Amino acid sequence: GNSVTQMEGPVTLSEEAFLTINCTYTATGYPSLFWYVQYPGEGLQLLLKATKADDKGSNKGFEATYRKETTSFHLEKGSVQVSDSAVYFCASWMDSSYKLIFGSGTRLLVRP
Amino acid sequence: EAGVTQFPSHSVIEKGQTVTLRCDPISGHDNLYWYRRVMGKEIKFLLHFVKESKQDESGMPNNRFLAERTGGTYSTLKVQPAELEDSGVYFCASRRAGGSYNEQFFGPGTRLTVL
Repeated sequence: GNSVTQMEGPVTLSEEAFLTINCTYTATGYPSLFWYVQYPGEGLQLLLKATKADDKGSNKGFEATYRKETTSFHLEKGSVQVSDSAVYFCASWMDSSYKLIFGSGTRLLVRP
Repeated sequence: EAGVTQFPSHSVIEKGQTVTLRCDPISGHDNLYWYRRVMGKEIKFLLHFVKESKQDESGMPNNRFLAERTGGTYSTLKVQPAELEDSGVYFCASRRAGGSYNEQFFGPGTRLTVL
């Protein structure tokens, strides 16, 4: 079946550090891939997405590239800020199923 | 445009009691989803409505959970009787009609604590 695996947290970084959160997927086809973010006290928000191989999603300084050969969609940011502290969820979508499959979430804590 | 709203934001009940969660989707969104996150684990799909019809309820854990969407507008998720393992955050999401992917908009979630 389809699944998403992401690195366990928490991830603690200092401000302006480089961030990578790993995400890999398994799917019987070619899913669309997403990163969602949940800031403290808020709901899930779509951060970025990619719908086919080699696509790069980007938003708010975050980037992720859809790698079919490694079945990965790692989230990166060159310089994190305290305001980036949140829980990040990787997710996949197959048109055949009409539902999102999520990873377990990675908590990011950025210290000043 | 108002976003997806959920009520209550937090519910604390005792084992064996009944709780009803409510979700109001974005106006005009035919698709409504329920998900939940238990104990810091992955967010899991529960079910999917298209208008008032259940399109997919494969994620509902057992018959203690009942979801309804009368009239195809808001939805309720009832847990009766609640068990300790039902504690978690219940998210609702809505999506406009269309066969291929359209963004799902999530509500803030209801945190359910069963004591």
